[in-house]
Amino acid sequence: AQSVTQLGSHVSVSEGALVLLRCNYSSSVPPYLFWYVQYPNQGLQLLLKYTSAATLVKGINGFEAEFKKSETSFHLTKPSAHMSDAAEYFCAVSPNQAGTALIFGKGTTLSVSS
Amino acid sequence: EPEVTQTPSHQVTQMGQEVILRCVPISNHLYFYWYRQILGQKVEFLVSFYNNEISEKSEIFDDQFSVERPDGSNFTLKIRSTKLEDSAMYFCASSQDIVPQPQHFGDGTRLSIL
Repeated sequence: AQSVTQLGSHVSVSEGALVLLRCNYSSSVPPYLFWYVQYPNQGLQLLLKYTSAATLVKGINGFEAEFKKSETSFHLTKPSAHMSDAAEYFCAVSPNQAGTALIFGKGTTLSVSS
Repeated sequence: EPEVTQTPSHQVTQMGQEVILRCVPISNHLYFYWYRQILGQKVEFLVSFYNNEISEKSEIFDDQFSVERPDGSNFTLKIRSTKLEDSAMYFCASSQDIVPQPQHFGDGTRLSIL
């Protein structure tokens, strides 16, 4: 079964520092991968998605992620953290390319200090 | 920007009672979903719905659960006889097509079972 593992349930960075949130996937077929963000008391908002068109995917709010097949990874990065980036971030994979369900990781809470 | 709307934002129900959670998906979307997030745990897929039929469902979606699109705008999740372990945040989502088309999430309904 397909799954995603997010390493680190909590990541803390200073404002202006690099953000790196880790996601590894397991999949027997080329996957579709997604990063979602959840702000307090809100639903999930799509940051970016990987659909095999390009290995480096740019998303909203300055985030990007790189698909590395050899490492089965899809880590999320942002060069310079902003206070408003503090939220919970979820990596998700689609179990099959003709399906509808998303399988989510456990999430990583990002804290940004001034 | 069009949004997925969920009502109520918080529902408190006695154990054993029936509860209906309501969602208004984005108007031109064709696929509808329910996910749940138990406090402190990952977001879990429950069911997807297309063309007035269930497309996929998870093991969580047992006979206690049902979904319906009673009219052209609403999409509902019914839990027939609630249990304490049904307490969770329930998210509705919609999309124009199957993955990798993005799923747009509502802000959720927090269901508390007493």
